[in-house]
Amino acid sequence: AQSVTQLDSQVPVFEEAPVELRCNYSSSVSVYLFWYVQYPNQGLQLLLKYLSGSTLVKGINGFEAEFNKSQTSFHLRKPSVHISDTAEYFCAVSERRNNNDMRFGAGTRLTVKP
Amino acid sequence: DGGITQSPKYLFRKEGQNVTLSCEQNLNHDAMYWYRQDPGQGLRLIYYSQIVNDFQKGDIAEGYSVSREKKESFPLTVTSAQKNPTAFYLCASSTKRGPRDTQYFGPGTRLTVL
Repeated sequence: AQSVTQLDSQVPVFEEAPVELRCNYSSSVSVYLFWYVQYPNQGLQLLLKYLSGSTLVKGINGFEAEFNKSQTSFHLRKPSVHISDTAEYFCAVSERRNNNDMRFGAGTRLTVKP
Repeated sequence: DGGITQSPKYLFRKEGQNVTLSCEQNLNHDAMYWYRQDPGQGLRLIYYSQIVNDFQKGDIAEGYSVSREKKESFPLTVTSAQKNPTAFYLCASSTKRGPRDTQYFGPGTRLTVL
């Protein structure tokens, strides 16, 4: 079965600085990849997803991610963060043959400081 | 507006009592899911349903039960058999019209067992 590792549990960064949240996955078959954001005491909101095609995926709120098949990675980036980006970010993977089985990483807590 | 609603937002129960969490969607999605979220961990799948009157166990189904009598509704019962029920519970849904379905999440219910 597929699995996801988010390499950093917490990432502190100053406002207007760039940020990268790292995600590696493991699967023996083709996958779909997702990034979700969760604000305190709320559900998950889809930021972006990779299904096929261009490996650079652009999402909401100025975020983007790049699918790297050789390194089995799907890192999330933003060139300049805002205080409002403070939240928990989850990387998720599902196998193309079975979308019901979505696996989530443990999450990365992004804290943007003024 | 289309979306997923979960109620209540906060729920307190005494140990040994069964409790039912509500999840309703008006997105006309075929598939629905229940996840459990604990601090520092990703989401873990409890149950999912691809179609009315059918559901399957996820990774941590023990101590939980579900029903899917209507397409719009997928209630989760946390039974007294669940050893550690205090957690944040998230409901999600997705369309099954094609292989590229994305899961959309409700706002969650925080259950505290006293």
